[in-house]
This record gives sequence, C-alpha cells and structure tokens, in this order.
Amino acid sequence: DAGVIQSPRHEVTEMGQEVTLRCKPISGHDYLFWYRQTMMRGLELLIYFNNNVPIDDSGMPEDRFSAKMPNASFSTLKIQPSEPRDSAVYFCASSPDRLGEKLFFGSGTQLSVL
Amino acid sequence: SQKIEQNSEALNIQEGKTATLTCNYTNYSPAYLQWYRQDPGRGPVFLLLIRENEKEKRKERLKVTFDTTLKQSLFHITASQPADSATYLCALSRSSASKIIFGSGTRLSIRP
Repeated sequence: DAGVIQSPRHEVTEMGQEVTLRCKPISGHDYLFWYRQTMMRGLELLIYFNNNVPIDDSGMPEDRFSAKMPNASFSTLKIQPSEPRDSAVYFCASSPDRLGEKLFFGSGTQLSVL
Repeated sequence: SQKIEQNSEALNIQEGKTATLTCNYTNYSPAYLQWYRQDPGRGPVFLLLIRENEKEKRKERLKVTFDTTLKQSLFHITASQPADSATYLCALSRSSASKIIFGSGTRLSIRP
C-alpha cells in the first residue's frame, strides 16, 4: 500500500498566484480530509469529503480556497489568489470508513507564498 | 469554546526513563481520544485510540489512559529510546461520526 500521496512536496509562489495542491488517498478509503498546519494554530481541519462529496467546509478560511474531489482517487485544494498568510504545511488524510477514527496522513505540501 | 491543551511544548528526558505526556480538554465530551506521532517533515502517524468507556490501552511500550472525569489523557512511553524523539499529538472526536480536532503537540526529546 503506497499510503496517501501528496504533490508537490514543496511549493514556492508569489502573492497573487494560483496554487493547486494534489492528493491521492488510500484506495478504498471513504473519507478524505484537508488539514493545514502552522506553528501558531497547529493542525486545522479545512474540509472533508465522504464518498467524493464535500460534507463540511466550515474550516476553509476564505472564498480564495476551494477543494474538489472528482473521483475516489484524486482531490485538489486550490488557493486563488494566494497570500503570504497562506504559507503553511497542507496535509491530506484519508480514513477507511469512520469519520472520527484513525487518520492516515500524507507527507504534506510545504507552501511558501512570497 | 472547546479547547485541547498538551502539557508542554517540549519535554526532555533521559533514555530508559518513562516519558509521560498530558492532554487536557475543556468544553468537550469526546467519545474517542487518539495519539499521533509526527516526525519533522512528515505527516502525523496514528499510534493508539482509546474510547470513553476504556480506562487504559497498551501497545508494546506505549500506554494511554483516559479519565473523562478529569478530562485528561496521559500518554506513557516506557523504556524510552532516542528513536522515540518526535512530536506527539493528542486528537479528539465526539463519535465515530464526528470530525477530529487536534492539540498543538508536545515535542519529546530523549537524550542518550
């Protein structure tokens, strides 16, 4: 099992540019989560999907953030336009069949917005 | 508002001793409490889950307790080793159908 795969591992961009982060969850997992981690705020849940359907996006900070899951094996998190305060590590995680138990995380995308 | 506190940002102990990390929560009634390990540059890795009706759970050198009266969980690593050095995160959920929220973590360093 390859685990949760995220790309890119690092992204450096300039303020105002569009950023797209990608995630491939573990095959067969029903839930997919996007988290953001910063020193100040720790791990924050941005949005999660169940069977490709967005269920709760209350953690998405602004309309500049959007997420999609077109199929069971792929999800994207897009920031447009990006701002320096978006700099953080973005993690994707998946879970087999229960929302509140055992998450499997990817290695994250380190985003730096200059 | 609900809050999760982990006892300290950093904990340094000698190899071979037992490391004890604390997770306290307020304004929350979790049904599940989990512990994760995070190494630098990596995502968190699940270690243990304990349910509200369980007092204690063990896995090899790890032990977790869950006291719903005190609103506290203790995470113990016995016979600690330098390889146990990492950040440990506490996470809560109200049920198997509720989203998980994380504490800020405790950075554990085991010195030889």
